[in-house]
Amino acid sequence: DTAVSQTPKYLVTQMGNDKSIKCEQNLGHDTMYWYKQDSKKFLKIMFSYNNKELIINETVPNRFSPKSPDKAHLNLHINSLELGDSAVYFCASSQDEKGENSYEQYFGPGTRLTVT
Amino acid sequence: AQSVTQLDSHVSVSEGTPVLLRCNYSSSYSPSLFWYVQHPNKGLQLLLKYTSAATLVKGINGFEAEFKKSETSFHLTKPSAHMSDAAEYFCVVSDLPFSGGYNKLIFGAGTRLAVHP
Repeated sequence: DTAVSQTPKYLVTQMGNDKSIKCEQNLGHDTMYWYKQDSKKFLKIMFSYNNKELIINETVPNRFSPKSPDKAHLNLHINSLELGDSAVYFCASSQDEKGENSYEQYFGPGTRLTVT
Repeated sequence: AQSVTQLDSHVSVSEGTPVLLRCNYSSSYSPSLFWYVQHPNKGLQLLLKYTSAATLVKGINGFEAEFKKSETSFHLTKPSAHMSDAAEYFCVVSDLPFSGGYNKLIFGAGTRLAVHP
């Protein structure tokens, strides 16, 4: 009965490879997010989708491409991986509606990406 | 845009003593504020949230926070620390008015709480 799940939990890969991280939520939420947590624990939003539509797109290299096949899934594809992409990536979801800011976001367990 | 500043990167307390984790916010309007906790190698869990209702907010595991507009603060407290409280704590503000009407969260840098026996 996991609310927000991510796969894989750990991902070790070499520079230049392409990889994907998958996220699924079974909470019936309309909005999903990707966050990056760096080695100093700093968390920053990358993308947000509402009903499969991109609504937040921070200054992220275009090697990162989110894909939302339906509102329960938000996958993150990363091309040409670089050392600096090593981080923990968190998926989250919320029951957001436009103009409402009181809905908390539910986070997945994270995916630790290590680029060597 | 909104921002939060967590005043301490590390806090160390003894088990059974009070906990105070400090957070100041910067906002041009009445913000929504949250505290999240991250246990080692785990995801983030919401502790509590303030959304312009009562200024004293009670959360899970005995934590509470008080919104003080005059001091632009939203400090997290707990009367008596437990070993299981050792974790990273994040103060968070919603950036709603500046994110196209959607709820973009802005995280503080985090405070690592250590609890000693």
